[in-house]
Amino acid sequence: SAVISQKPSRDICQRGTSLTIQCQVDSQVTMMFWYRQQPGQSLTLIATANQGSEATYESGFVIDKFPISRPNLTFSTLTVSNMSPEDSSIYLCSVLNSGAPEYFGPGTRLTVT
Amino acid sequence: GESVGLHLPTLSVQEGDNSIINCAYSNSASDYFIWYKQESGKGPQFIIDIRSNMDKRQGQRVTVLLNKTVKHLSLQIAATQPGDSAVYFCAERGAVKSGAGSYQLTFGKGTKLSVIP
Repeated sequence: SAVISQKPSRDICQRGTSLTIQCQVDSQVTMMFWYRQQPGQSLTLIATANQGSEATYESGFVIDKFPISRPNLTFSTLTVSNMSPEDSSIYLCSVLNSGAPEYFGPGTRLTVT
Repeated sequence: GESVGLHLPTLSVQEGDNSIINCAYSNSASDYFIWYKQESGKGPQFIIDIRSNMDKRQGQRVTVLLNKTVKHLSLQIAATQPGDSAVYFCAERGAVKSGAGSYQLTFGKGTKLSVIP
C-alpha cells in the first residue's frame, strides 16, 4: 500500500486565518481525495483533487472555502480559509489506484479558537 | 444521497471472543464495500473489502459477509484482541459512472469496539 504523510499533524489556529495542509504520497496515484471528520463523527468527502485542473467539490463544500491544489501525481494541498470554530475537525487525505482499496493518511487535527 | 448505517454504535467483547460488527446500506446499486479500523488519533486503516459479486471474503482473523438481498454487511473478527479496540467504519461505493463522484465512498457512522481483557 502507498505511504501517505500529512503536514502539519495538528495545529491550533485563530479564527479568520487560513491553514494549508499538505498530503504527500510515496508513489504516483491515480486519485486523491480530501475528507473532513468532525469530532466523534464519520468521514465526509470534501472534494476530489484533480491533477492539473480544478478540484471536484461535493455538495456543501466550495472552492473559496477549501481551495485545493494537485500539481502532480504524488502531492496535494487543502487550504481551510477564513477559519471559524466550526472548522475544527480532522482533515484526511486519501489515495486510490485502480483495483486497489482507498488508503488514508494519518490526518491533520485542526482546532480553531 | 444514499446512506450507509450501522446497527450498533458500541460493542464490548471479552478478549478471545469473536466480534461481529454490522452495517446496513440502502443503495442497491453499490458494487463495492470496504471496512476500515480507526484507532484514536490515527487515520482509517484498511481492513478488508468485498465486491458485490461475492458474498464472503476472508482475511487474517477477519471475515466480511455481504447479503445483497437484505442489503447488509458484516465484519467478523475472530479471537478478538485488545489491539482490536477501535472505531470500525463500513463504506460503500456505487457502480462506477462518469463524471464527478464516480469513485466516491459513502461512510457509515462507525461502531466503537471495546475489548475487555
